[in-house]
Amino acid sequence: AQSVTQPDIHITVSEGASLELRCNYSYGATPYLFWYVQSPGQGLQLLLKYFSGDTLVQGIKGFEAEFKRSQSSFNLRKPSVHWSDAAEYFCAVGAREYGNKLVFGAGTILRVKS
Amino acid sequence: DVKVTQSSRYLVKRTGEKVFLECVQDMDHENMFWYRQDPGLGLRLIYFSYDVKMKEKGDIPEGYSVSREKKERFSLILESASTNQTSMYLCASSLFLGGAKETQYFGPGTRLLVL
Repeated sequence: AQSVTQPDIHITVSEGASLELRCNYSYGATPYLFWYVQSPGQGLQLLLKYFSGDTLVQGIKGFEAEFKRSQSSFNLRKPSVHWSDAAEYFCAVGAREYGNKLVFGAGTILRVKS
Repeated sequence: DVKVTQSSRYLVKRTGEKVFLECVQDMDHENMFWYRQDPGLGLRLIYFSYDVKMKEKGDIPEGYSVSREKKERFSLILESASTNQTSMYLCASSLFLGGAKETQYFGPGTRLLVL
């Protein structure tokens, strides 16, 4: 079965600092990988996704993520964090063999210090 | 833009009540999903549907049922609410064509408190 691990429950960074949120998955074949963001009081919004090809993918709001097959990781990065990035971030994994379903990680809450 | 709406943002119910959570999407998506979100556990899939009157169990279906009579509407039913069903409930929809590659679009959530 698929599983997704986000090792950091909370992360605090200063505004303008760089950010990396970690995501590890467990699945044999190449999975479909997603990062979603949930702002306070909102539903989830897709930041970016990876299926194949270039392992560095660009998303909205200046975010990017890198797929590393050897490490089973799909870490999310941003070079300079803005106060409006404070939110909860979810990594999710899907696979053709599991139909339309996704498995979500537990989430990482990002706090931004001014 | 895809819009997914949920009938209530906040609900307070008593133990044993029957509870209906409604979700409507306006983009003619085939797939619809119900998740519950709990701190430290992320999102867990309760049920999903890929067509009218079709449903499949997710990872935590116990204590829940669903109804999909129209393509745009997917209802989650708590037959007899219990305190351990206090949670945030999120509805999502997606196209069927690309399977798990398709982006899921989420509603704002319903925060349910069962007393």
